[in-house]
Amino acid sequence: GAGVSQSPSNKVTEKGKDVELRCDPISGHTALYWYRQRLGQGLEFLIYFQGNSAPDKSGLPSDRFSAERTGESVSTLTIQRTQQEDSAVYLCASSLFVGLAGTYNEQFFGPGTRLTVL
Amino acid sequence: RKEVEQDPGPFNVPEGATVAFNCTYSNSASQSFFWYRQDCRKEPKLLMSVYSSGNEDGRFTAQLNRASQYISLLIRDSKLSDSATYLCVVNDFSASKIIFGSGTRLSIRP
Repeated sequence: GAGVSQSPSNKVTEKGKDVELRCDPISGHTALYWYRQRLGQGLEFLIYFQGNSAPDKSGLPSDRFSAERTGESVSTLTIQRTQQEDSAVYLCASSLFVGLAGTYNEQFFGPGTRLTVL
Repeated sequence: RKEVEQDPGPFNVPEGATVAFNCTYSNSASQSFFWYRQDCRKEPKLLMSVYSSGNEDGRFTAQLNRASQYISLLIRDSKLSDSATYLCVVNDFSASKIIFGSGTRLSIRP
């Protein structure tokens, strides 16, 4: 079966431009996460969607970052007025519902989008 | 204090050695735990879950110490292919949060 897919795989943009990153989760996975990973660094949580619940946006670093998810499918992460410090790999992951005791909550990651802001 | 903390390393050990690293977590309500592996410039992938009684998968042993709030990963007879970053993951059902540690880098030398 298909895993998590992300597009584009690479994005080079100029400082000040807006970018949109896309994530297609595994079908049936209700939880979807976005992370940022700078070169040589760990995963930085950005935002989390769970079904129809309000998303957990606590990790978004500034109001230039926003994300949407249509139902339990595709998600887009938008970065407005990109800055050089936004350069990183943006990883999306999906998992089965988080919160049910005993549910196996393995996160499956997409290959990431490598964003370079010049 | 970070919710999940790991020694970033790098751990540089010879092939065949045994290496272990820990991960501490701050929320005692955390309920499930995992180790993920991330190869250079690749996405993280699940290595193994961590069960209360401890569990083994080949050369890898994972343990959970709830009293001291840490999990550990032991790798025996290390191989060159074990070189990677190992990420500790803590799942808090009550808060519906999954938290990744920043990872421990392991490098196995011939």
